[in-house]
Amino acid sequence: DADVTQTPRNRITKTGKRIMLECSQTKGHDRMYWYRQDPGLGLRLIYYSFDVKDINKGEISDGYSVSRQAQAKFSLSLESAIPNQTALYFCATSDLGLAGGPLFFGPGTRLTVL
Amino acid sequence: DAKTTQPTSMDCAEGRAANLPCNHSTISGNEYVYWYRQIHSQGPQYIIHGLKNNETNEMASLIITEDRKSSTLILPHATLRDTAVYYCIVRVNTNAGKSTFGDGTTLTVKP
Repeated sequence: DADVTQTPRNRITKTGKRIMLECSQTKGHDRMYWYRQDPGLGLRLIYYSFDVKDINKGEISDGYSVSRQAQAKFSLSLESAIPNQTALYFCATSDLGLAGGPLFFGPGTRLTVL
Repeated sequence: DAKTTQPTSMDCAEGRAANLPCNHSTISGNEYVYWYRQIHSQGPQYIIHGLKNNETNEMASLIITEDRKSSTLILPHATLRDTAVYYCIVRVNTNAGKSTFGDGTTLTVKP
């Protein structure tokens, strides 16, 4: 069973629609992250959360919002989707308690905004 | 966090060792070297990390030079399933979110 899951895996939507991407994890990690990946631009951090009461902006947070509903759940919302938000979105977790704190990624959500 | 430089692409014969280099000449004393890989459009997968000692796990070995300015990821017996983009990342341990995933090295394992 996957430790980090994302739903939906694929989504096609129209400009102006509100979209929510969900992430759940069973690793027991406190820290969760949202990234987007675009061809030629690598992975860019959108938002991250160190615990349920902590939310931080990443390098490209404009146009996005997040909610940390529980330790295991971190959702990403696009309030009014636009075509340049078409990308591959990844959720990740980490645990500073582990020696090193590597990131563990979900399988990704491919979002297309028409 | 320190910047890394990796070759754009490499080939390796199936069954042979794949040695992927990474330069990180500006690494600071408290920065770790991490390696991830991404197969096609799947989520990146953590492979290994280290500070200054060489490290080995079930997936790979990590060799860090004594001056810590470069490192090599070794896949001892590459298989076709190891074909992926490999990312070398240098960062402090306090914030994994500061990991900068650049272009990485595209490793192609050939039969």
